[in-house]
Amino acid sequence: AQTVTQSQPEMSVQEAETVTLSCTYDTSESDYYLFWYKQPPSRQMILVIRQEAYKQQNATENRFSVNFQKAAKSFSLKISDSQLGDAAMYFCAYIRVTDKLIFGTGTRLQVFP
Amino acid sequence: GAGVSQSPSNKVTEKGKDVELRCDPISGHTALYWYRQSLGQGLEFLIYFQGNSAPDKSGLPSDRFSAERTGGSVSTLTIQRTQQEDSAVYLCASSLGLAGAGTDTQYFGPGTRLTVL
Repeated sequence: AQTVTQSQPEMSVQEAETVTLSCTYDTSESDYYLFWYKQPPSRQMILVIRQEAYKQQNATENRFSVNFQKAAKSFSLKISDSQLGDAAMYFCAYIRVTDKLIFGTGTRLQVFP
Repeated sequence: GAGVSQSPSNKVTEKGKDVELRCDPISGHTALYWYRQSLGQGLEFLIYFQGNSAPDKSGLPSDRFSAERTGGSVSTLTIQRTQQEDSAVYLCASSLGLAGAGTDTQYFGPGTRLTVL
């Protein structure tokens, strides 16, 4: 069965600095998708970034980028120039083409001024 | 609509009562998902609707849980004879559903926080 592991329950970063959130997953599939979702106190899950497993190039969305290591089954999220509004729970998620999203347990990110 | 909406935002009920939670997906999205998020946990898949196909109910924790999707749009998640362990945030998500569950980004609603006393 597929699993997603986020080994950092909490992380903190100073405003304007860079932080990296870790995620590993276990699968025997070759075709799948990976996501990072952000959940602020409002509870709404917001898509941060998406990576297709068949793409070698790491996805980037403004200040957010990933380091996708397919062989190592690793999918870390890097947040550059951290802002106070980045404080939230971050969830890593995996999905096969014909299956359902599997989420990690989340990392709570605190941003200090 | 502009996004996925859910109602009520919060629901407090007594143990043994039935509750209904509503989800309005983004207009034009054919796929709809329900998840449960217990305190301090990730999301647990409950059920998935895709167009007119039979729903994937593999995540429902017991037969007290059921869901319907009327007219391919609004969905209702019903929990019968609620128990304290049902207390959680119930999140709904929708996606275009054009190319299969995996290829479409899911957009989430704000959730319903259910508290069973």
